[in-house]
Amino acid sequence: AQSVTQLGSHVSVSEGALVLLRCNYSSSVPPYLFWYVQYPNQGLQLLLKYTTGATLVKGINGFEAEFKKSETSFHLTKPSAHMSDAAEYFCAVSDLRTGFQKLVFGTGTRLLVSP
Amino acid sequence: NAGVTQTPKFRILKIGQSMTLQCAQDMNHNYMYWYRQDPGMGLKLIYYSVGAGITDKGEVPNGYNVSRSTTEDFPLRLELAAPSQTSVYFCASSRQGSDTQYFGPGTRLTVL
Repeated sequence: AQSVTQLGSHVSVSEGALVLLRCNYSSSVPPYLFWYVQYPNQGLQLLLKYTTGATLVKGINGFEAEFKKSETSFHLTKPSAHMSDAAEYFCAVSDLRTGFQKLVFGTGTRLLVSP
Repeated sequence: NAGVTQTPKFRILKIGQSMTLQCAQDMNHNYMYWYRQDPGMGLKLIYYSVGAGITDKGEVPNGYNVSRSTTEDFPLRLELAAPSQTSVYFCASSRQGSDTQYFGPGTRLTVL
């Protein structure tokens, strides 16, 4: 069965500092990996995804993530945090074996950005 | 193009009451999903549908029912509300074969 582990329920950074949100996955077949962002009182929005091809993927708002198969990781980074990045971030895994996209979510990491 | 819409935004129920959470999408997506989000637990899949008339259970289906009579709508029914169903409920949709789901804004449900 697939699973996702997000280390750290809360991460605090200063504005302008590096953002690093950690995600490790477990999957018996090649995974599809996603990062979703949830702003307060809103639904989830896709930030970026890895399906096949280049292992470094770029998303919206300057975020990127690198798929590392040897480490079973898909950490999310941004070189310089902005106040508007404060939100909850969810890592998710799926595969398309069955033709149905069944996402398994991590427990989320809340990013706090201080001035 | 409204995307995925959900009603109501908030609701308080008494134990044993029933209600239907509404979800609609205008993107002509075949696939629709219902998730619940509990604090510190991430999202769990309740039910999903791959097209009108076809539904199946997800990870946490107990206490819920769904139907899919049209492509656009995917209501979630709670028959006998219990405090354990206090949660935020999200509806999502995706195009067949696509790896991207689009989420609605959620319904915050409290059962007292």
